[in-house]
Order: sequence, then structure tokens, then C-alpha cells
Amino acid sequence: AQKITQTQPGMFVQEKEAVTLDCTYDTSDQSYGLFWYKQPSSGEMIFLIYQGSYDEQNATEGRYSLNFQKARKSANLVISASQLGDSAMYFCAMRGTGGFKTIFGAGTRLFVKA
Amino acid sequence: NAGVTQTPKFQVLKTGQSMTLQCAQDMNHEYMSWYRQDPGMGLRLIHYSVGAGITDQGEVPNGYNVSRSTTEDFPLRLLSAAPSQTSVYFCASSLGQGLAKNIQYFGAGTRLSVL
Repeated sequence: AQKITQTQPGMFVQEKEAVTLDCTYDTSDQSYGLFWYKQPSSGEMIFLIYQGSYDEQNATEGRYSLNFQKARKSANLVISASQLGDSAMYFCAMRGTGGFKTIFGAGTRLFVKA
Repeated sequence: NAGVTQTPKFQVLKTGQSMTLQCAQDMNHEYMSWYRQDPGMGLRLIHYSVGAGITDQGEVPNGYNVSRSTTEDFPLRLLSAAPSQTSVYFCASSLGQGLAKNIQYFGAGTRLSVL
């Protein structure tokens, strides 16, 4: 069975510093995709970044990067130069090849301090 | 550009009542799905559809029905509301098969309370 684990219920980071949000996964699929979504206090779900299991390079999108370590089954989100607007819930998610179901982790709430 | 539209935004029901949560997308996406979000549990898949006329169950389908008569619309029906169905419901859509395409776009959510 597929599973996503986010072990940090909450984290604090100082404005302008970098922060890493942890995500580990378990799957028997050879090909799969990993996603990170942001949910601000307003409630909407915002796609941040995607990593394919066969991608050789770690994905980057602006201040977001995904530290993908396939052997360790981890897909950590790195936010550089944190901003106050980064305060939100962050969800790691995974979808396997050939299937439609996406599973989500329980989320990490990030607080950015001024 | 509307994207994924959910209605209503808020709803209060009494136990035993039925209702339909509406979801519409204007991106011509094949795939649509319904999730519920409960504190500390992330999002859990209720039902999904890979195209008009095709639906399937997710992790937590009991107490919910769906249908997909058009590409655009994917309503979620609560048959007989129970307090355990108090949650925030999200509808999402994505392009068809292929991992790189399967970025899901979410509606704004429906906050449902069952008394």
C-alpha cells in the first residue's frame, strides 16, 4: 500500500532563512510522481512543485526546491529565503503510474517569524 | 478564468438530511475527484472519475454518491448526513493519464457541518 509520512506537525522559521519540510513515502510502484501543495489560512490548495520518480534532477520552482532521495524514499521541500506569506500548511502527495489515486500526508504547518 | 468552482462554500445540515455539493471545471480536464479534509489527517479521497460516465471509489466512499454525466460537472451527494461527515470538502481536476500532467487544481472548498 502507498503511504506518505510527514513527521513535523508544526515548524517555525525566521524570516529570510531557509527551511526544510520532511516527507517520506512508501510505494511498490516503479514509476510515480511526488507533489507539494500549500494551503494558506484562506483554505485553498495551491500546487507548488512536482518531481517524477525517474527525473534525474531535483525539481525547482523559484524559491521552492525538492530534495529527492529515491533510495531513502524521501522528497523534502526546501523553501529558501522564507517570507511571512509562506506561513501555511504544506502537504506532500504521491500518485503512482497507471492509477488515478493521489494520497496525501497529514501536513506540516509552517510559521514564519518576523 | 474560473478553474474549479465549488458550491456552496458553507453548509449546515441536520442529521439525516441529504444534499449535493456541486463541482464544475472549465479546463476540459478528464479527471475529477472529491476529497475530504479533517484535522490532522490531510486529504482523503472519497470518489473520483476518469471521464464522463466513469466513476470509482476512493479511500472513504461510504455515505457518498457521485455521477459524471458531463466532462465539466462532478457533483457529490450525501445520502443521509451524519455528524461524522462534518468536514471540509475539496473538488479537484487534472488532465488525463501521464504523471507530469496530473497536477491537480482544487476548488475553494465547502465547509460542511452536520448537527
